[in-house]
Formats: sequence, structure tokens, C-alpha cells
Amino acid sequence: DTAVSQTPKYLVTQMGNDKSIKCEQNLGHDTMYWYKQDSKKFLKIMFSYNNKELIINETVPNRFSPKSPDKAHLNLHINSLELGDSAVYFCASSQISFGYTFGSGTRLTVV
Amino acid sequence: QQQVKQSPQSLIVQKGGISIINCAYENTAFDYFPWYQQFPGKGPALLIAIRPDVSEKKEGRFTISFNKSAKQFSLHIMDSQPGDSATYFCAAHAGGKLIFGQGTELSVKP
Repeated sequence: DTAVSQTPKYLVTQMGNDKSIKCEQNLGHDTMYWYKQDSKKFLKIMFSYNNKELIINETVPNRFSPKSPDKAHLNLHINSLELGDSAVYFCASSQISFGYTFGSGTRLTVV
Repeated sequence: QQQVKQSPQSLIVQKGGISIINCAYENTAFDYFPWYQQFPGKGPALLIAIRPDVSEKKEGRFTISFNKSAKQFSLHIMDSQPGDSATYFCAAHAGGKLIFGQGTELSVKP
């Protein structure tokens, strides 16, 4: 009964490829987020969506495109992957912007 | 101004001791201050949180102390246990997003 689930858990791909990460939440939350955790474990927000509408786009390269087909799903598509994109990507959800619930993360390795 | 500064970067405590992690901020618009615990290979999990109109909040062995005038807040873990070994993040909320501190790697020695 996972509250926020992400797939895949691991993703290894070559530079220049395009990949997607999927996220689903069953908490009934209105807001979903993508966070990036770098090699030093620093967590930084990338995007947030509220009820399918983009709210925050935190100066992320436009190779990253989030898509929210409904308020329970938020996917992240990355074009032309670069070495610097290697990180752990976390999906999260919240109600009224408080009490974020995070997924278990997707470790992306670009080789 | 959107930063949250966290210290120390790493902390080693003996079992039964008190672990203390500190955070400082500048932005007075922050309206909610949670602490998250992250184990290897897992996502951050909400541990305890406080609003700026409260000076202290306690939940079991975990206490947040909040000093609004100094713009500082801290997490105290009483009777620290080896199972508490994890990375701890403070965070602050404003403008619909959480801004995280740099994290503290806590190791509790048996």
C-alpha cells in the first residue's frame, strides 16, 4: 500500500538518450513535486503541480519536462541526458503544501 | 535569502546520548519548519515539524526548539539509539515549496 510510488527505482542509460520516470500517489493529495538529490545529498525542488497545473518550475533546463495527466500522477521526461543529470530523483506529494510524503526515489546514472 | 543552513555536516554520538542538529534561515516568510529523516536507499520521511508561533515541540524522543528572533531552530534526539543512524534534513516552507538544509549524517555508536 505504497503512498507515493516511483518507477523505475534504478535507471542506467547512455548520454544523449531520452528517459521517463513515473510517479503515482494514492493519498488524495492535490500537489505533487519533483526533487533532485545530488551526490552530496542536497535536495532541491525542480517542479510542483497542483491538480494538474504547473505551479513551480525552478530554473530547470527545458530538457526536463514534467507531465501530470491527473492529480494522482506526475511523470518526468528527460531529453538528451547528460552526465550531470546523474542523481536521485524524488517524487513527493502534499496537501495544502505541508507534510510532504516522498517516494523512495529513482537513481539515475548517465554513462 | 531562500537558503537554510544546517550544521554539523556529520555527527557521531554514543548510544544513550543526545544528538543536536542546528539550522538557521534568513527568509522571514518561512511559515513551517519540518525535519526529515532519510535512511540509505529510501526517501526522506517526515519526523517532526513546527510552526513559527511555537517555541518548542516534542514527540517522543524528538524535540524541535525554535527561536524566531534568532531565526534558528534545532532538533534534539534524546537517548539516541543505533537505529537513529540516518541523514537528517531540516527544511523551511514558503511560496509553495520546501527548502532543505544540507543534511546531517548521524551515526549512533553502540
